[in-house]
Amino acid sequence: KNEVEQSPQNLTAQEGEFITINCSYSVGISALHWLQQHPGGGIVSLFMLSSGKKKHGRLIATINIQEKHSSLHITASHPRDSAVYICAVIVRTYKYIFGTGTRLKVLA
Amino acid sequence: EAQVTQNPRYLITVTGKKLTVTCSQNMNHEYMSWYRQDPGLGLRQIYYSMNVEVTDKGDVPEGYKVSRKEKRNFPLILESPSPNQTSLYFCASSLFWAQGARGEKLFFGSGTQLSVL
Repeated sequence: KNEVEQSPQNLTAQEGEFITINCSYSVGISALHWLQQHPGGGIVSLFMLSSGKKKHGRLIATINIQEKHSSLHITASHPRDSAVYICAVIVRTYKYIFGTGTRLKVLA
Repeated sequence: EAQVTQNPRYLITVTGKKLTVTCSQNMNHEYMSWYRQDPGLGLRQIYYSMNVEVTDKGDVPEGYKVSRKEKRNFPLILESPSPNQTSLYFCASSLFWAQGARGEKLFFGSGTQLSVL
């Protein structure tokens, strides 16, 4: 079993829909990142969380340390949100462990 | 412009021929790291460095070397590449942080697609 699990693996949505991507982990962590990988391969860091909730534009990320779970929400989804979203946890030795990603496709 | 620069973008080589992938950042970041990305396996950390002359192994360090002689540079060295090292490689950097940090993002290079024949 992977130490970081994401769900769903693939997601297709219609433009305007509210989207949720989940990340569960089984190790002790210092913080968690949400990353976005564009179809061209480039990776952008969206959020780093150690507690609570963060919001940037239409993106909201939450983390529950006790439940070892994080969610990434996209409100009013748009075709330009189509990408692979990756959850990464930072364990206490400053190592990163990654989920295998959620492939999101938003249809116009 | 703040960025992480990785070179080369594409590299085809043969088994056993030593190669270096360079990584440089202009943001004065303490933390730098290398990852490889393989289909079905996702991203995996190879090595990381928390400052000059401080490096440590990630999950898949076998077959790789790194050095951190200057803060801005963190090259990845494959002394004797093998076909199982064919992969997409990323370098990344961030400000060093500890417990209680306020959310420092990780900045990625554009990637190096390596093929070892």
